[in-house]
Amino acid sequence: EIVLTQSPGTLSVSPGERATLSCRASQSVSSSYLAWYQQKPGQAPRLLIYGASSRATGIPDRFSGSGSGTDFTLTITRLEPEDFAVYYCQQYGSSPGYTFGQGTKLEI
Amino acid sequence: QVQLVESGGGLVKPGGSLRLSCEASGFTFSDYYMNWIRQAPGRGLEWLSYITTSGGTVHYADSVKGRFTISRDNAKKSLYLQMNSLRADDSAVYYCARDGSRTTSYYYMDVWGKGATVTVSS
Repeated sequence: EIVLTQSPGTLSVSPGERATLSCRASQSVSSSYLAWYQQKPGQAPRLLIYGASSRATGIPDRFSGSGSGTDFTLTITRLEPEDFAVYYCQQYGSSPGYTFGQGTKLEI
Repeated sequence: QVQLVESGGGLVKPGGSLRLSCEASGFTFSDYYMNWIRQAPGRGLEWLSYITTSGGTVHYADSVKGRFTISRDNAKKSLYLQMNSLRADDSAVYYCARDGSRTTSYYYMDVWGKGATVTVSS
């Protein structure tokens, strides 16, 4: 089973700044199987990025994804107040089924 | 608009059973694979189960295999999760989510319900 490890656990940044979130896989993951989600308190997760780098419908271009193999990154530029949330990476495995990272909390 | 609405959550005693439902609207339900995911209080996301369009193929996480059963009724645009032998650590918010993999070559979940809360306690 592939394990996804996200870092840091908590990232403190200010509005207007840039945030870089990491997701590392224990084995190589196909980029097609890698996605990122945002979750705010009391809400369901929202898809941000799929295929490691493609933005989902309606997602602002300040969100971008990159990476391949075992190392993937979610970058958020020009942070807005509404971007402060928990972010999860996700991969689809050969088990089969999905696994999620443990999450990164983005806080002011 | 595209929407998923879960129902059927509640309080159940350890060892008991519960059936969750997820009603879809705004899209052709029968065209999509579907998933169940849960989130225990203060914890991360845990994928539970997946079902193909016809229901002919299903997969489960090891944590629920043999206890939970996923099913669907395309005529009713509904997804179900039958949960048996419930334990305290099954207490969580349960989400249904639409899967993008059948219609694209990518694996992701692009539409989520608001969730149903299940509490297992005596």
